[in-house]
Amino acid sequence: DTGVSQDPRHKITKRGQNVTFRCDPISEHNRLYWYRQTLGQGPEFLTYFQNEAQLEKSRLLSDRFSAERPKGSFSTLEIQRTEQGDSAMYLCASSGDSGADTQYFGPGTRLTVL
Amino acid sequence: AQTVTQSQPEMSVQEAETVTLSCTYDTSESDYYLFWYKQPPSRQMILVIRQEAYKQQNATENRFSVNFQKAAKSFSLKISDSQLGDAAMYFCAYQGGSEKLVFGKGTKLTVNP
Repeated sequence: DTGVSQDPRHKITKRGQNVTFRCDPISEHNRLYWYRQTLGQGPEFLTYFQNEAQLEKSRLLSDRFSAERPKGSFSTLEIQRTEQGDSAMYLCASSGDSGADTQYFGPGTRLTVL
Repeated sequence: AQTVTQSQPEMSVQEAETVTLSCTYDTSESDYYLFWYKQPPSRQMILVIRQEAYKQQNATENRFSVNFQKAAKSFSLKISDSQLGDAAMYFCAYQGGSEKLVFGKGTKLTVNP
């Protein structure tokens, strides 16, 4: 078990382009979370999955954002028509089934929108 | 909505000394969990310590311990015998009935040799 992994680690894109990030959770974890962290701030919750079901979405997740977790394994987060305000670190975390289980984080994907 | 406040944007400590980082939170829930996460520069966030609200005993993990005051909604982190590798951003986080973590803005800890 190598922990939570994310790809790519860094992404630079031009405004208006679409980008997609991938997260691979710890293998036995059924819950997967996405957070966004801007400079000087703590992470903010975006959405989470229980297996393949998306159970909660933050109001921060505008209609330009979409997340999927096909087959309950890896997850993708897509941002369409990127804006400069989307520049941030996108963090993925996973945990076991219980609400008491600790969330373990991946290294993040740093997005820069020019 | 729950909120987490870290009132110290930056702290510094001498190597081998002890430092305490402060965290307060606001919630109407009675059952919840509290966490301290560490985020070194350009490295991923790792769990330092967690506390279940129903437990009166303060959690400890080696050189790290917490002072959990439920009535005061306070959750401070004490780092004893500070080491250079402790230098990082430290985030306090709350998890209640919703599965999401709610984070504070963080405290940047500098360890001076």
